[in-house]
Amino acid sequence: KAGVTQTPRYLIKTRGQQVTLSCSPISGHRSVSWYQQTPGQGLQFLFEYFSETQRNKGNFPGRFSGRQFSNSRSEMNVSTLELGDSALYLCASSSSTGGDTEAFFGQGTRLTVV
Amino acid sequence: QKEVEQNSGPLSVPEGAIASLNCTYSDRGSQSFFWYRQYSGKSPELIMFIYSNGDKEDGRFTAQLNKASQYVSLLIRDSQPSDSATYLCAVKLSSASKIIFGSGTRLSIRP
Repeated sequence: KAGVTQTPRYLIKTRGQQVTLSCSPISGHRSVSWYQQTPGQGLQFLFEYFSETQRNKGNFPGRFSGRQFSNSRSEMNVSTLELGDSALYLCASSSSTGGDTEAFFGQGTRLTVV
Repeated sequence: QKEVEQNSGPLSVPEGAIASLNCTYSDRGSQSFFWYRQYSGKSPELIMFIYSNGDKEDGRFTAQLNKASQYVSLLIRDSQPSDSATYLCAVKLSSASKIIFGSGTRLSIRP
């Protein structure tokens, strides 16, 4: 059974640009959660999608958005990039919403904003 | 008060000893608790999932949950150098139905 797949693995962008990250969950999983990980702040919850609907949202500005497709694949978009957006972005896949079951992480996308 | 609190460490334990990692949480209604292991430069890997009071054992790992004290711990028996990593405690909040992570405890197993 394939795991959670995130693409791309590495990205370098310039301030002001926008970026789109992709996450394909484990087959059969309908929930995808996104997290930002930085050395100073740890793992911060961005949002969760379940059956194409955003179920929960963390405390991030509106520049961070996401969506989920009918095949459960999810994308995360960050517009008007800032230097502080440099981080490891992780998505986690689970079979149900809201943390009732285990969540499994992808390898992450390392975003560097210069 | 942070929603999920862990001692950042580093916690240094001799090889073969028991490593004890602790986590407290603020949401009394929380029902699901997770322990993840994260090696440097890698993504978190699920080790344990516990939702009932008491102990849950899986190989060398034991998770202990005490909801009355809002406390969850992870014991690693017969610690190996390969156990050196950051251990993240995660809690499903009852109020927001999402998983929140602690900042992690860095564990170092010395030979």
